[in-house]
Amino acid sequence: TQLLEQSPQFLSIQEGENLTVYCNSSSVFSSLQWYRQEPGEGPVLLVTVVTGGEVKKLKRLTFQFGDARKDSSLHITAAQTGDTGLYLCAGDGETSGTYKYIFGTGTRLKVLA
Amino acid sequence: DTGVSQDPRHKITKRGQNVTFRCDPISEHNRLYWYRQTLGQGPEFLTYFQNEAQLEKSRLLSDRFSAERPKGSFSTLEIQRTEQGDSAMYLCASSAKREQFFGPGTRLTVL
Repeated sequence: TQLLEQSPQFLSIQEGENLTVYCNSSSVFSSLQWYRQEPGEGPVLLVTVVTGGEVKKLKRLTFQFGDARKDSSLHITAAQTGDTGLYLCAGDGETSGTYKYIFGTGTRLKVLA
Repeated sequence: DTGVSQDPRHKITKRGQNVTFRCDPISEHNRLYWYRQTLGQGPEFLTYFQNEAQLEKSRLLSDRFSAERPKGSFSTLEIQRTEQGDSAMYLCASSAKREQFFGPGTRLTVL
């Protein structure tokens, strides 16, 4: 069974601080997506990483896919209150022949002014 | 707006009643997914369709749950004889390639 664990589960920081969220698995994924979700809304896609070792940047957010495609990290530089939300990673099971996506447990981030 | 839409956004029902939710995916997307999400957790896979074929169904999906995508476009998720434990956000997503795009969800409350 493929599982994705995220850490930390909760994070409360001051505006301007940096943070890193981790997404780990013992399984290999073809690709991994990161989402942000606001309360009462559906997740919004931030990025997809596909190649082992790949690094993608989205303004102050940096995403990295592990060399073995089993883990990923999200680093936020100089966090802002608008970054507050639930961050989710999701891996696709294409390597096992299915297009089913497995979601991580989520990291709830609160950025304080 | 050409995003994924879901209807209704909120549903309150009494235990034992049947409910049906609808999802309209992005028009050119051939895959459609249903997830359930409870407070503070990540979405939990329920089932997915490729065109009109239901390709996988979670073991978590009891026989009270059924989903259809009759013409490979919109999909419905029905829950029969609802229980309080069914209270959750039900999310629909569609995809054409790797990326999934989510709808706003249907929040179900079973009293």
